[in-house]
Amino acid sequence: SAVISQKPSRDICQRGTSLTIQCQVDSQVTMMFWYRQQPGQSLTLIATANQGSEATYESGFVIDKFPISRPNLTFSTLTVSNMSPEDSSIYLCSVVTGLTNTGELFFGEGSRLTVL
Amino acid sequence: AQKITQTQPGMFVQEKEAVTLDCTYDTSDPSYGLFWYKQPSSGEMIFLIYQGSYDQQNATEGRYSLNFQKARKSANLVISASQLGDSAMYFCALTGGFKTIFGAGTRLFVKA
Repeated sequence: SAVISQKPSRDICQRGTSLTIQCQVDSQVTMMFWYRQQPGQSLTLIATANQGSEATYESGFVIDKFPISRPNLTFSTLTVSNMSPEDSSIYLCSVVTGLTNTGELFFGEGSRLTVL
Repeated sequence: AQKITQTQPGMFVQEKEAVTLDCTYDTSDPSYGLFWYKQPSSGEMIFLIYQGSYDQQNATEGRYSLNFQKARKSANLVISASQLGDSAMYFCALTGGFKTIFGAGTRLFVKA
């Protein structure tokens, strides 16, 4: 298992600003992911955070809007840049601890962003 | 490409009765996993049950069981003896190729 801490847990942001969300895991993990959950919607994968290299983004998400860092095996950040009200969502960090490609996903508690 | 579908936006069930939440999927990976997560109003994602693509038997975890029909590409969640605390969103998820995608979710309402 893994314990994941996300900061901030919630924030209210002004249009046009940027916010960085931090994700800290209590153990080294193989895979780290960032998801977005818009109000009343399911979880959508933004990107896979790769340790020591550029993140792998899903269709519809770009690095300029959602830059991601992963300097080591326990920490990652997601920045939401130049925010608009449409970016109001819960952003979730998640990890897989095993080596198989079918491992359970563990989630942080999420960061709830409201953009005014 | 992977795809996962939940066709029931909402479901009602009487307390103490069983309920089935539907999930179908599509993937070209021979090795994959299917998960169900519960998301109460607090927003946390709670793991319920897992089924591997090579598992011969259907997974069970307490009151939760997964009705896995590989040929039909379905992985329905069965909750027995529903409780009021089961009222929540339920997401089916497909993992393969080191990536997990989620269905649209089903909101379950348990009536007293």
